[in-house]
Parts: sequence; structure tokens; C-alpha cells
Amino acid sequence: KNQVEQSPQSLIILEGKNCTLQCNYTVSPFSNLRWYKQDTGRGPVSLTIMTFSENTKSNGRYTATLDADTKQSSLHITASQLSDSASYICVVSVNTGFQKLVFGTGTRLLVSP
Amino acid sequence: KAGVTQTPRYLIKTRGQQVTLSCSPISGHRSVSWYQQTPGQGLQFLFEYFSETQRNKGNFPGRFSGRQFSNSRSEMNVSTLELGDSALYLCASSLGNGALSEKLFFGSGTQLSVL
Repeated sequence: KNQVEQSPQSLIILEGKNCTLQCNYTVSPFSNLRWYKQDTGRGPVSLTIMTFSENTKSNGRYTATLDADTKQSSLHITASQLSDSASYICVVSVNTGFQKLVFGTGTRLLVSP
Repeated sequence: KAGVTQTPRYLIKTRGQQVTLSCSPISGHRSVSWYQQTPGQGLQFLFEYFSETQRNKGNFPGRFSGRQFSNSRSEMNVSTLELGDSALYLCASSLGNGALSEKLFFGSGTQLSVL
């Protein structure tokens, strides 16, 4: 069964600190892995998209890594800001002739002043 | 460029009623997909439309249906509403060119409450 699991479920960090969110997946055949940021009451916004051959991708203070062998990904946030408070969703795309997206349930991050 | 627009933003209905949600994609995007988001289940795929045709469908009952118009705007309909249909309904648009790393752009969603 295609599954995406994220940890931790929630996280509180102090402003200015770094943090790392985890994503493990059991998806086949793998196409790509995406990280989204979702502010409360808003739709998700794409942060990164990584294919099988990419093992790291950055978007400003966000850096995603992918280990296709262990089927793990992480999202590292550097020098956190209050505006980073949001849910972060890991999404894996299954290549079945068309794209099928499998969503994780997200990590809720709260950055405290 | 305007983003994905969903209307209405909030909706309150009672059990047994039906509801229609609307989504206007980014100009030039031909694919529109719909998702249901609940606190317990996270995001779940409903269906995708491309050039007025349903191209892909998730595992939802037939009470959930959709359509796409020639201008790529899409509507989603839920009939005979149940309490469990209370959720945030998100629409996403993309070019629809079939690229495996195609980026999705989400609207802000319609928050549906069924009483």
C-alpha cells in the first residue's frame, strides 16, 4: 500500500532556531517527492519538487533532501521566522502512467518568539 | 497573474442538501484537480479534469462529482450531504502537460460545514 508518514506530528521551536522535519514513504513506482507549506486557512504552497536523481534542493531557508534508497526525505528550515509557523506536507507522486499523489498528514510547526 | 480562485470561501449546509463549489484556475492552466482535507485524514484526492474530461479519480462515493467547462473553470458537486463531508475542499490547477514534476497551484479552499 502506498503510504507517506511524517514526523513529528507537531513541533514548537524558538524563533531563529533550525529544525528538521522527516518524511518516510513506501510508494512504488516513485516519480517525485514534494514539500508543501500550508498556512492556516490557506491552500498548500509548493516549496520543492525532487525527482529520483536529485538528493537535495533548496528554496531560500528551506532545504529538502531525498534518499531514494532508504525512501526518506527531510525538510530543513534554517534560522526560523514567525512566518514559518504552518503545516508542512510531504507528498509523493506515483508514476502509474498519470501522476497519482500520495499525501502525508503533515507536521504542524509553531515558531515561538 | 491571478492565482487559483475558489468560491465560496465558507459554506454551511444541513444534512441531505447538496452543494456546488467553484474553482477558476490560473490563466493558461488546463488541468484542475480537487482535494478534500480533514484534520484526521489529511489531503485526499477527489478527481482531476483536463480539457473538460475527467482524467483521474480518487476513492470517493458517487455523491461527489465534478465537471470542467471549456474555459477550464471547474465545479464540484456533493449531493445528499453527510456530517462527514465537513472539510476544507481545495482545488489545484496546473498546465496539464503531463510532466511528471508538474507544479500544482492550490486555491485557498472552500470550508464546508455540514450541520
